[in-house]
Amino acid sequence: QSVLTQPPSVSAAPGQRVTISCSGNNYNIGNNYVSWYHQLPGTAPKLLIYDNNKRPSGIPDRFSGSKSGTSATLVITGLQTGDEADYYCGTWDTTLSGVVFGGGTKLTVL
Amino acid sequence: EVQLLESGGGLVQPGGSLRLSCAASGFTFSSHAMTWVRQFPGKGLEWVSTVSSSGDHTFYADSLRGRITISRDNSQDTLMLQMSSLRVEDTAVYYCAKAMKPGLVPYGLDVWGQGTTVTVSS
Repeated sequence: QSVLTQPPSVSAAPGQRVTISCSGNNYNIGNNYVSWYHQLPGTAPKLLIYDNNKRPSGIPDRFSGSKSGTSATLVITGLQTGDEADYYCGTWDTTLSGVVFGGGTKLTVL
Repeated sequence: EVQLLESGGGLVQPGGSLRLSCAASGFTFSSHAMTWVRQFPGKGLEWVSTVSSSGDHTFYADSLRGRITISRDNSQDTLMLQMSSLRVEDTAVYYCAKAMKPGLVPYGLDVWGQGTTVTVSS
């Protein structure tokens, strides 16, 4: 059971928009920055969003993040087949003194 | 090129020990906290441990506390994870990752190694 809660799967058609939610509490998301990662099969995770809504260089603006209270959201617009991957949210948990991740969301581009 | 390269994984019997290493290059290693994350076969990510940039502060997942030690050698740009009393359920791919910004808390892991596989089996 992951500390952060994500939907197991989401799907949408190419060109469409999809949102992935991440729910936590005041000890993690509520008082810490959220990051988002995606992972293609057989590869290492890759940072998509940091500090709730910032993109590392090289990440297209089709990917955006936001945070409100104890929840965070990743939005992907203009879906491409290459976006099919597992997506994870992560943050620091003050009570656990450690990084916590969501259980992951599998994105299918229909 | 910024790069992390793990090594040291392999097959070990239950109760055995392993030492994982992560060689860093392309960035100022001593300025960034470093983290180990593992991934069970077909499952999600699980945080293992974090060490501060200086090595003075260490954090461990409760499930592994007492069985692992994280350390770093800033003169050799190397991160280590000493694992002992290994269990079958520790079988996973272990990744090392770099914190994006200086600071004690590793917000945003922007560089990941390719992973090293640890298999605990008799």
